[in-house]
Amino acid sequence: EAGVAQSPRYKIIEKRQSVAFWCNPISGHATLYWYQQILGQGPKLLIQFQNNGVVDDSQLPKDRFSAERLKGVDSTLKIQPAKLEDSAVYLCASSLSGVGPLHFGNGTRLTVT
Amino acid sequence: DQQVKQNSPSLSVQEGRISILNCDYTNSMFDYFLWYKKYPAEGPTFLISISSIKDKNEDGRFTVFLNKSAKHLSLHIVPSQPGDSAVYFCAASYYNNNDMRFGAGTRLTVKP
Repeated sequence: EAGVAQSPRYKIIEKRQSVAFWCNPISGHATLYWYQQILGQGPKLLIQFQNNGVVDDSQLPKDRFSAERLKGVDSTLKIQPAKLEDSAVYLCASSLSGVGPLHFGNGTRLTVT
Repeated sequence: DQQVKQNSPSLSVQEGRISILNCDYTNSMFDYFLWYKKYPAEGPTFLISISSIKDKNEDGRFTVFLNKSAKHLSLHIVPSQPGDSAVYFCAASYYNNNDMRFGAGTRLTVKP
């Protein structure tokens, strides 16, 4: 079984620039999550999708962050404009039906200078 | 708000000994608890879980204990191996998986 795929692995941008991350979940997994992990902290949920509908985006800074899940499969997370405090690892995860453990990708490390 | 806390940032143990990692939570509505293991440059990997109807769950060398009255769970690794060296995250959620909350992690080092 192929795991959760994320790209790019690393990204360095200047503040006020925009950036996008891509995620392909495990085949057949209906639920997809984006997490933000700041250095020294645990992952924090940004948004959860069930198929292509949003279940929870209460912790997504909607003035600068947006996410979509096309056709209930791949997902993109965008930041525009980026701030210094957005420097973090962005993790995508999926689960079969929103129940049970999450399967994480290897993440995208974003550095905003 | 930090609903899941791992108060020990790091732990070092000798190979063959027991590793005990601790986690506290504040939300009594949580009913599903998990431990994840993370190697550098990789995403967290699920290790073991426990639901609130149990107080112990065992999988090989890994055992998770849940004390609901104290809102505390622990992960025991026996015997510890150098390959267990990683960051361990405790997580808690409702069983439907919405908004899983993670602790800050404990870095375990197992010395040969």
